[in-house]
Amino acid sequence: EAQVTQNPRYLITVTGKKLTVTCSQNMNHEYMSWYRQDPGLGLRQIYYSMNVEVTDKGDVPEGYKVSRKEKRNFPLILESPSPNQTSLYFCASSWNRGNTEAFFGQGTRLTVV
Amino acid sequence: SQQGEEDPQALSIQEGENATMNCSYKTSINNLQWYRQNSGRGLVHLILIRSNEREKHSGRLRVTLDTSKKSSSLLITASRAADTASYFCATPGAQKLVFGQGTRLTINP
Repeated sequence: EAQVTQNPRYLITVTGKKLTVTCSQNMNHEYMSWYRQDPGLGLRQIYYSMNVEVTDKGDVPEGYKVSRKEKRNFPLILESPSPNQTSLYFCASSWNRGNTEAFFGQGTRLTVV
Repeated sequence: SQQGEEDPQALSIQEGENATMNCSYKTSINNLQWYRQNSGRGLVHLILIRSNEREKHSGRLRVTLDTSKKSSSLLITASRAADTASYFCATPGAQKLVFGQGTRLTINP
């Protein structure tokens, strides 16, 4: 089954404690991206990757890092989380950046206290 | 940068009725997509319509695209309680899909 798997689904952490949200896809997609979703602000792209070792900033990259060492995995790293990063996060993958169907993970609800 | 804007922001109808949501966008596109999101969960792709298509069907869904007006509509016929969700239109941006704010659809039993 084609899917994008994110972990964890829920996470409560404290300010400054580094965390990683994992994302894996099984469709051999080249394009992967991370979004955050906040009430009233919609979906905003954090980072994206066009292929292995190729990553770039989206609209709201501050406070986040990503890596793409393998095609299937695209982890999101918060080196020093702050309360304003409390949000619902989604990983997505597709064949290209906007002309084909995007597959989304189930989401990670992050709370930073 | 927001490309698509859905209208209305919220819609509440009775089960069995039809639901229509609209999306307007600003720049020329080669396709437009619609997604559904159940509360707090990931977005699910519903349908993609290309700029040279005017209408597309998928089950109870009908999507239209009017490139001259830069608008699209999503019609859900014979609504069911399970259709309760938020619906988003999405258009290709520079390096990503750009989503609108969504329409929250509630189907009342």
